[in-house]
Amino acid sequence: AQKVTQAQTEISVVEKEDVTLDCVYETRDTTYYLFWYKQPPSGELVFLIRRNSFDEQNEISGRYSWNFQKSTSSFNFTITASQVVDSAVYFCALILKGGSEKLVFGKGTKLTVNP
Amino acid sequence: DAGVIQSPRHEVTEMGQEVTLRCKPISGHNSLFWYRQTMMRGLELLIYFNNNVPIDDSGMPEDRFSAKMPNASFSTLKIQPSEPRDSAVYFCASSLDTTDTQYFGPGTRLTVL
Repeated sequence: AQKVTQAQTEISVVEKEDVTLDCVYETRDTTYYLFWYKQPPSGELVFLIRRNSFDEQNEISGRYSWNFQKSTSSFNFTITASQVVDSAVYFCALILKGGSEKLVFGKGTKLTVNP
Repeated sequence: DAGVIQSPRHEVTEMGQEVTLRCKPISGHNSLFWYRQTMMRGLELLIYFNNNVPIDDSGMPEDRFSAKMPNASFSTLKIQPSEPRDSAVYFCASSLDTTDTQYFGPGTRLTVL
């Protein structure tokens, strides 16, 4: 069965620091998708990125970047020059293509950015 | 574009009462998912539908929980009778197909006294 591990339960940084949120996944399948979602204090779940298992290119979107490495089964998320508005719980998730078709979430990392 | 719509946003009820949560998925999306989020258990998938048909309800905790999707634009999750341990945030999500990106509604915060 697939599994997603976010070992960092909570991270606290000062504004403008860079921060990396770790995500390690387990699956025996070769075709899958990885996701990151953000849950701010207001409670909604906001989609950030979807990555195909065959596409290991890193992606950058503004201050956000993602590093996908199949060799280490990791899909890490970096926020550059963090801001207070980045404070949220961030979830990494995995779904198999053609498998159980259930999105498996990690337990989340709570990021607090202090002014 | 309208996202996933859920109602009510907050619900406070007494133990034993029936609770109905509602969801309108994004137009054109064929898959709909119901999740529950608690501090203890995190995000749990309760049930999902594809083309209005329930595909997997193995996450539904008990017979007190039921879900329907009578058409492509509406789904309900019902709890009857409700219990205090059902207190949680219930999210509805929809996607183009079962493995595509899921977009979540704002959630319904349920409190059972």
